[in-house]
Amino acid sequence: GQQVMQIPQYQHVQEGEDFTTYCNSSTTLSNIQWYKQRPGGHPVFLIQLVKSGEVKKQKRLTFQFGEAKKNSSLHITATQTTDVGTYFCAGSYGGSQGNLIFGKGTKLSVKP
Amino acid sequence: GAVVSQHPSRVICKSGTSVKIECRSLDFQATTMFWYRQFPKQSLMLMATSNEGSKATYEQGVEKDKFLINHASLTLSTLTVTSAHPEDSSFYICSARDFPRGATGELFFGEGSRLTVL
Repeated sequence: GQQVMQIPQYQHVQEGEDFTTYCNSSTTLSNIQWYKQRPGGHPVFLIQLVKSGEVKKQKRLTFQFGEAKKNSSLHITATQTTDVGTYFCAGSYGGSQGNLIFGKGTKLSVKP
Repeated sequence: GAVVSQHPSRVICKSGTSVKIECRSLDFQATTMFWYRQFPKQSLMLMATSNEGSKATYEQGVEKDKFLINHASLTLSTLTVTSAHPEDSSFYICSARDFPRGATGELFFGEGSRLTVL
C-alpha cells in the first residue's frame, strides 16, 4: 500500500543548531501537510504544500516539496526549546480531501 | 481555526467493560471525522473514517465489532471500545476537516483520549 517514510525517528540538538526532517513517498503525492505535536498534546497543522518544487517559510521553519512531488522536508534554523515535539508529515494521494497517510514522525529534543 | 473537542481526556476501565469516547466539532459541521490510534513513540494509525449518517469505513486490520463508530450528527462522532482488554490501552485521537472553510484540507485534531484498561 501507499506509505510515507519519515526520517530520522529522533533528533537531539543543542539549542541554536539547525534541524531537518525528511519525508519520502514511492508514488507521487497530491499534496503534503506538516503537523507538530507537542509532548502530551495533539497534532497541530503547520502547512500544506501542493505545487512541485514549492518552498514555504514560516519564520525559522522552511518547508520544501520536491520537484517530483515524492519527497518533502522541514528545516528549522537555530532551534529553540519551544521547538520540541514530534513533527509529522502527512501525504495525500487523492487531492485536498483525500485521506492523509502519516509518516512515523520525528521527535525533536532541544538541549538548552 | 476550527475547534475539535474530545472527551474524556483520560479514562481507566476494567477489562471486559466498554468505553465511549466523544468527538465534537464545536464551530463547524463535519460530515467526515477520522479516528486514529497512537502508540507510545509511534505515529498516528488511522483506524476508521466516520461518515455522518452512514456506516464508518474501517482500515484493514481494525475490528469493526470491537471499535464501534457512530456519527449521528454533523458535529458528533463517537468511538466505543467494546469489551476492552489491556492491549486496547492507547491514545485515541479524532480529527475532522472544516470543509469548505478549510480549503487546504487540513485536519483539526481533538485533544485525544488516553485509555488504560486494567
